[in-house]
Amino acid sequence: EAQVTQNPRYLITVTGKKLTVTCSQNMNHEYMSWYRQDPGLGLRQIYYSMNVEVTDKGDVPEGYKVSRKEKRNFPLILESPSPNQTSLYFCASSFGRGDQFFGPGTRLTVL
Amino acid sequence: AQTVTQSQPEMSVQEAETVTLSCTYDTSESDYYLFWYKQPPSRQMILVIRQEAYKQQNATENRFSVNFQKAAKSFSLKISDSQLGDAAMYFCAYRVLIRSNNLFFGTGTRLTVIP
Repeated sequence: EAQVTQNPRYLITVTGKKLTVTCSQNMNHEYMSWYRQDPGLGLRQIYYSMNVEVTDKGDVPEGYKVSRKEKRNFPLILESPSPNQTSLYFCASSFGRGDQFFGPGTRLTVL
Repeated sequence: AQTVTQSQPEMSVQEAETVTLSCTYDTSESDYYLFWYKQPPSRQMILVIRQEAYKQQNATENRFSVNFQKAAKSFSLKISDSQLGDAAMYFCAYRVLIRSNNLFFGTGTRLTVIP
């Protein structure tokens, strides 16, 4: 089954404790991206990757890091999480500039 | 700057009736795509319908259709014969054909379907 998977689906952590949210797709998509969803703001792009070892900032990259060492994986790293990073996070992937397929979302709470 | 505006935070419709969700956008680009995404309580983002800006014909997908007015920068979604399963948050989104492939989203409209 073609899909984008994210882990964990739910995470509660404390300020400053490094964490990684994984994203994996099995569709051989070149393009992957991360969004965050906040009430009243819709979804906003954090980072994106056009292919392996090619990443760039989206609209709200502060406090986040990403890497793209393999085509199928695109982890989101929060080196020192803060409460304002409490949000719902989505990973998405696509062939080139085609329609984006979204993962199921990760609910992150930073205390 | 690209912006997407959904002026209706909440809408309701009687089952089997028709409802229209509004969306306007602002852009200086001539070539772009517009989308409607559905987000049910499961939080999954589901693509409902897509419209290419260069196409004059309005897109349709079964009970879902759009009214695309390029000059007015308006992109509304019409849901016909509403079903209980249509209840969800609906997001309008815009995408330019540049490197970032970024989707710009509106703030969403919560649709309630009344049995």
